[in-house]
Amino acid sequence: DAGVIQSPRHEVTEMGQEVTLRCKPISGHNSLFWYRQTMMRGLELLIYFNNNVPIDDSGMPEDRFSAKMPNASFSTLKIQPSEPRDSAVYFCASSLLGTQYFGPGTRLLVL
Amino acid sequence: AQTVTQSQPEMSVQEAETVTLSCTYDTSESDYYLFWYKQPPSRQMILVIRQEAYKQQNATENRFSVNFQKAAKSFSLKISDSQLGDAAMYFCAYRTNFGNEKLTFGTGTRLTIIP
Repeated sequence: DAGVIQSPRHEVTEMGQEVTLRCKPISGHNSLFWYRQTMMRGLELLIYFNNNVPIDDSGMPEDRFSAKMPNASFSTLKIQPSEPRDSAVYFCASSLLGTQYFGPGTRLLVL
Repeated sequence: AQTVTQSQPEMSVQEAETVTLSCTYDTSESDYYLFWYKQPPSRQMILVIRQEAYKQQNATENRFSVNFQKAAKSFSLKISDSQLGDAAMYFCAYRTNFGNEKLTFGTGTRLTIIP
């Protein structure tokens, strides 16, 4: 079975540009999570969806970040405009019965 | 709010030996889940083991086992017969069983395997 799929795996962009990260959860999973990992803050939840509905977005840093889940098999995390402090690894995870399975992550570098 | 503490930033173990990684957590809830995730240099987060708080029996997965002490709020991971492929960051995580599904992570322990 395919696991959680994320794209791109690596992204280098310049400050001020729009960045879109994509995630395809494991088929049949009904919850999807976006996490960010940095050296300073560790792993932190940005937002999660249940049955495509945002449930907890308290971790979204500011209005520059937005996330959508238009259907059960796709989600996006958008940063506009991007800033150097957004540089991090962004993970998507999905779950069905409480256990979360992670994608390989997107390493984002904002110059 | 729940917190998870991993007090050992780094650990090392001789290949084939046994090592125990520590994790403590703070919660006022009685029903929750605890997890250990492994993050090798590839950065992939890999589930190692899961424990339900209502189960008294400690979870085991092959060479990996936990010592779950609910009253002490302690959840340590024991790796037996350590192998070179076990070298990674190990994260302890907590999840409530009441509503919010988010994971709260500890800061991680970097495990080195000495050949």
